[in-house]
Amino acid sequence: QSVLTQPPSVSAAPGQKVIISCSGSSSSIGKNYVSWYQQLPGTAPKLLIYDNDKRPSGIPDRFSGSKSGTSATLGITGLQTGDEADYYCATWDSSLSGGVFGGGTKLTVL
Amino acid sequence: EEQLVESGGGLVQPGGSLRLSCGASGFTFSSYWMSWVRQAPGKGLEWVAHIKQDGSEEYYVDSVKGRFTISRDNAKNSLYLQMNSLRAEDTAIYYCARSPGYSDGWALDYWGQGTLVTVSS
Repeated sequence: QSVLTQPPSVSAAPGQKVIISCSGSSSSIGKNYVSWYQQLPGTAPKLLIYDNDKRPSGIPDRFSGSKSGTSATLGITGLQTGDEADYYCATWDSSLSGGVFGGGTKLTVL
Repeated sequence: EEQLVESGGGLVQPGGSLRLSCGASGFTFSSYWMSWVRQAPGKGLEWVAHIKQDGSEEYYVDSVKGRFTISRDNAKNSLYLQMNSLRAEDTAIYYCARSPGYSDGWALDYWGQGTLVTVSS
């Protein structure tokens, strides 16, 4: 059971928007920055969002992140079939003194 | 171009040991925190361990404390994970990953392709 809670799956049509939630605690998301990762089938994870809402160079602005209290969200607009992947949130947990990931959310673009 | 390449995975019996290596290139390895993250077959990501630039600080997930040791050799641009007393539940793809210098929080911006560790008799 993951320290961060994500919905197992979400789906939406091409061109639409989807939001993936990530719920944590006061010692994890409540105290630390959140990052988000995309993992395409058979590949290593890729950083999409860091420090709650910042995008690394090369990540399109279709991807956005936000945080409020002990929860965070990843938004993806203008969905494309190439966005079908597993998405993970992550943060540092100050009580555990370690990194923690959400269980992952499988995005299906119908 | 930044690159991380893991090696050392394989099949090992329960109770056995294995040492993973991760070679870094394309960036100043000694300037970055580094992590190991694993992914059991069909499962999600799990952070395993984390080491400071000069090796003076190490952090581990509880399930591997006392069994795994993360280390680095900055002269060789290499990260290591010594895994002892291996269990079936340690079976996973092990990724090494870099923490970006531009991030205020913990994040991982470059990942290797992973190396598979299988613990089975």
